[in-house]
Amino acid sequence: AQSVTQLDSQVPVFEEAPVELRCNYSSSVSVYLFWYVQYPNQGLQLLLKYLSGSTLVESINGFEAEFNKSQTSFHLRKPSVHISDTAEYFCAVTITQGAQKLVFGQGTRLTINP
Amino acid sequence: NAGVMQNPRHLVRRRGQEARLRCSPMKGHSHVYWYRQLPEEGLKFMVYLQKENIIDESGMPKERFSAEFPKEGPSILRIQQVVRGDSAAYFCASSGAGNQPQHFGDGTRLSIL
Repeated sequence: AQSVTQLDSQVPVFEEAPVELRCNYSSSVSVYLFWYVQYPNQGLQLLLKYLSGSTLVESINGFEAEFNKSQTSFHLRKPSVHISDTAEYFCAVTITQGAQKLVFGQGTRLTINP
Repeated sequence: NAGVMQNPRHLVRRRGQEARLRCSPMKGHSHVYWYRQLPEEGLKFMVYLQKENIIDESGMPKERFSAEFPKEGPSILRIQQVVRGDSAAYFCASSGAGNQPQHFGDGTRLSIL
């Protein structure tokens, strides 16, 4: 079975500072990896995904994540955050073959202080 | 260009009543997934359906919960004889064929009095 661990439940940072949200996964088979963002009282929005190819993936709003197979990690980074980035971020995995259910981490609440 | 539509957004029920949550997938999507988010927790998979078929229900509680995705109409998650512990946000996601990313609705927040 797969599992996802997000090491930080809350991350407070100042505006324009860099941020890293950590995600580690456990799986005995190949996986696809995702980061979703959830704004208050809304559903989850796909931020970025790793399916294959380049291990560094980027989103349109400045976030990036790097798949590291040896460390089984998929950390999310942004060099300079904005107030509007305040949200809950979820890391998720699904196996590449068969059932497509997502297994989520517990989430990291990112709070941006002015 | 509607996304995944869930209704109602908020649902209040008394203990012992039935709750019905509806989900219309994105146009062109034939795969539907239901997840539950308890307070201060991540999302937990409940069930995966395709039209008229339950593919994986490994996350569904053994009693009181059922799901369907009929040939016509939305997917329905049904909770019979609700209890306080059923209070949560229930999210539906849909995807196309293959390993397409799942797109989520805004959820139904169920409160049990």
